[in-house]
Amino acid sequence: SQTIHQWPATLVQPVGSPLSLECTVEGTSNPNLYWYRQAAGRGLQLLFYSVGIGQISSEVPQNLSASRPQDRQFILSSKKLLLSDSGFYLCAWSFSAHNEQFFGPGTRLTVL
Amino acid sequence: GDSVTQMEGPVTLSEEAFLTINCTYTATGYPSLFWYVQYPGEGLQLLLKATKADDKGSNKGFEATYRKETTSFHLEKGSVQVSDSAVYFCALPFSGGYNKLIFGAGTRLAVHP
Repeated sequence: SQTIHQWPATLVQPVGSPLSLECTVEGTSNPNLYWYRQAAGRGLQLLFYSVGIGQISSEVPQNLSASRPQDRQFILSSKKLLLSDSGFYLCAWSFSAHNEQFFGPGTRLTVL
Repeated sequence: GDSVTQMEGPVTLSEEAFLTINCTYTATGYPSLFWYVQYPGEGLQLLLKATKADDKGSNKGFEATYRKETTSFHLEKGSVQVSDSAVYFCALPFSGGYNKLIFGAGTRLAVHP
């Protein structure tokens, strides 16, 4: 069976500091991978998605970037965090041939 | 373009009450439809799905029927429990591919004893 991991689970960072969130998927190969952000009490905003190693599509221009250095690893980064980057970050994966997505447990980021 | 509209929350119910959360969609063709649930502090879980018109998805006592005539996929449960308190998201695939999903804004459900 497939599992998806995210870490860290929670993170408190000062404004202007760098960010690295990691997501890994086990039990499948060549998944589609997604990063979402959920602001407090709000819906989901798709940030990035990837259909293969080294391939990243950005949905919303912003202070963040993503990378996929390995088939089942997806990283969300920032060089300098802003207050507005606070939120709940969710990673998800899907089989390349199917529509449904499977979500990780999320990382709660607070920028102070 | 593709879109999903959910009823606004919060929805507050007493235990054992009947639940309906409305979801309507705009899409090209007849895409699969999904309901996801997010418990406090957790990621989203797929609750149920329907892959074609008139299909009924069901799980954990929840049901939703794919109605192409009304372009709706309303979520129902006959008797809610306190443990059903969560945020519920309706979703459909983006017609542009890459298995991207379009989510509704989410409906928060609070069930009181």
